[in-house]
Amino acid sequence: GQNIDQPTEMTATEGAIVQINCTYQTSGFNGLFWYQQHAGEAPTFLSYNVLDGLEEKGRFSSFLSRSKGYSYLLLKELQMKDSASYLCAVRDGTSGTYKYIFGTGTRLKVLA
Amino acid sequence: KAGVTQTPRYLIKTRGQQVTLSCSPISGHRSVSWYQQTPGQGLQFLFEYFSETQRNKGNFPGRFSGRQFSNSRSEMNVSTLELGDSALYLCASSSDIWGMNEQFFGPGTRLTVL
Repeated sequence: GQNIDQPTEMTATEGAIVQINCTYQTSGFNGLFWYQQHAGEAPTFLSYNVLDGLEEKGRFSSFLSRSKGYSYLLLKELQMKDSASYLCAVRDGTSGTYKYIFGTGTRLKVLA
Repeated sequence: KAGVTQTPRYLIKTRGQQVTLSCSPISGHRSVSWYQQTPGQGLQFLFEYFSETQRNKGNFPGRFSGRQFSNSRSEMNVSTLELGDSALYLCASSSDIWGMNEQFFGPGTRLTVL
């Protein structure tokens, strides 16, 4: 079947580094996305990986290993405003059309 | 550049009624996707339209339908509403022809079914 797992909640300290893991199961993988969603707001795009390796964008990096069905989002120099939910999503093409499968999100709390 | 807009922002309906939600993508974006977000299920993909054609579809019943107009604006319709349809409905637009890259989300329509 198709499934995405990520931790429900994480807590970290301002200025620290945090890694949010995501594992997925799909036979028609066609890209992995990370989104940030603040409470009461719409998700905003953070990163996209389709090939193995690390994609860096400022304080945020995302890693993908297709053979392991694994990705992580790395947030450096944490700031209070990074407190939000982080959604991992996979674009899957097993059924002949593409579907976007989202994890339930990881709620990150950044403490002072 | 104006962002993705959705109307209405809030809606209250009763079981059995139908509802139509509207989404205007960012100017120049031809791909529009719809999602349902609930606390228990998270974000679930409904369907994607590109150039007035439904290109991708999620696992929702036929009560959920949509369409896209020539100006890329999209509407989503839910018929015979059920209590479980109460959710935040988000649309997202993208300029990428394969929808692989950045999607921009609208603020959503909060639907409550009584």
